[in-house]
Amino acid sequence: GAVVSQHPSRVICKSGTSVKIECRSLDFQATTMFWYRQFPKQSLMLMATSNEGSKATYEQGVEKDKFLINHASLTLSTLTVTSAHPEDSSFYICSARLEARTEAFFGQGTRLTVV
Amino acid sequence: DAKTTQPPSMDCAEGRAANLPCNHSTISGNEYVYWYRQIHSQGPQYIIHGLKNNETNEMASLIITEDRKSSTLILPHATLRDTAVYYCIVSLGGGTSYGKLTFGQGTILTVHP
Repeated sequence: GAVVSQHPSRVICKSGTSVKIECRSLDFQATTMFWYRQFPKQSLMLMATSNEGSKATYEQGVEKDKFLINHASLTLSTLTVTSAHPEDSSFYICSARLEARTEAFFGQGTRLTVV
Repeated sequence: DAKTTQPPSMDCAEGRAANLPCNHSTISGNEYVYWYRQIHSQGPQYIIHGLKNNETNEMASLIITEDRKSSTLILPHATLRDTAVYYCIVSLGGGTSYGKLTFGQGTILTVHP
């Protein structure tokens, strides 16, 4: 149990376009999901907290108009990178927590390359 | 969340126990110790967590000192597939912010034949 799936696992897009990344909890409901970003040879950095049915909470320095988060159901959160630029190229990872447990589980990540 | 300190890298021979230390001297009473690992180009994998008592599961054992200021993750019989970055994270186990994790640099564990 406690499987989190991300799609796509890898995406290449042109500069100026938008890209949507999906994060699904496959066998549990998640009222809260988290989005992280990881640059090469660096650790994961939390970008935002996604709450079902309400607005996401963004970490300091993360542009909410550039990284649009939608958590429309208890099993799906999406991250849309708008007007992507090469500096947005990174590894994006989501996680979800189980209400009855204290640990969070991560998706496999999405490698975004903006050319 | 309390900050953690881990050695940047460690080596271990295949089949031997890998003991990964973590210092978290500022941990508060209601914060848990979590361990995750990240194999190259994958999302982090949950390993184990604990509050006060030592814990064991099918993957590893977690030893927490009595004063809770440090802990050790033990992989009893390391294999080559255990080569990864191991993160020790201290975080609340409940409330509105639980599940929100602050990652440090972790320990790069290399298991060699």
